[in-house]
Amino acid sequence: SAVISQKPSRDICQRGTSLTIQCQVDSQVTMMFWYRQQPGQSLTLIATANQGSEATYESGFVIDKFPISRPNLTFSTLTVSNMSPEDSSIYLCSAGLAGVDEQYFGPGTRLTVT
Amino acid sequence: QKEVEQNSGPLSVPEGAIASLNCTYSDRGSQSFFWYRQYSGKSPELIMFIYSNGDKEDGRFTAQLNKASQYVSLLIRDSQPSDSATYLCAVNQAGTALIFGKGTTLSVSS
Repeated sequence: SAVISQKPSRDICQRGTSLTIQCQVDSQVTMMFWYRQQPGQSLTLIATANQGSEATYESGFVIDKFPISRPNLTFSTLTVSNMSPEDSSIYLCSAGLAGVDEQYFGPGTRLTVT
Repeated sequence: QKEVEQNSGPLSVPEGAIASLNCTYSDRGSQSFFWYRQYSGKSPELIMFIYSNGDKEDGRFTAQLNKASQYVSLLIRDSQPSDSATYLCAVNQAGTALIFGKGTTLSVSS
């Protein structure tokens, strides 16, 4: 399995500002993913982050709002830009180990936008 | 649109009983099937995965897969109050992101 950490664990931000969430994996992974989980809901995929290439965004999510970096095989960041209260959610990163399909999740970042 | 369907519950079982959680998926190309457990306020924890038709057992958990019926289930034997959580079914094709169901809430009463 992979051990994944995220920073920050939670934050309260003002409308119009941006927050960058960091995701660190304890081993090299090929695929990293960013999900959003709104209260009482299941997980929604935001984008897939591949090292050395642009992230692939799901319908309804755009790069200007959620820019992603993937500078190496163990690290990724997700920025939530120009935040509004509707962005209040838990943001989760996950990683898939090379050669297997299992994916493991970080502890999540709880974001509240006021 | 690829979909994963689960009954939202809550599914209530007494301590010591068998809890049966079910999931159907729409994409016949799905290759890998996962069950995650999520406690309130925590992130999903992978508890079972299955790739081939049939049963896979791990301790008190058994995952069952029937690709012809596009059906996955999770059985929890000797249910404990600590099993009370939301169980998320997820599927994918190799190397792709997971598609999640909405989850089934399980409540085990002592």
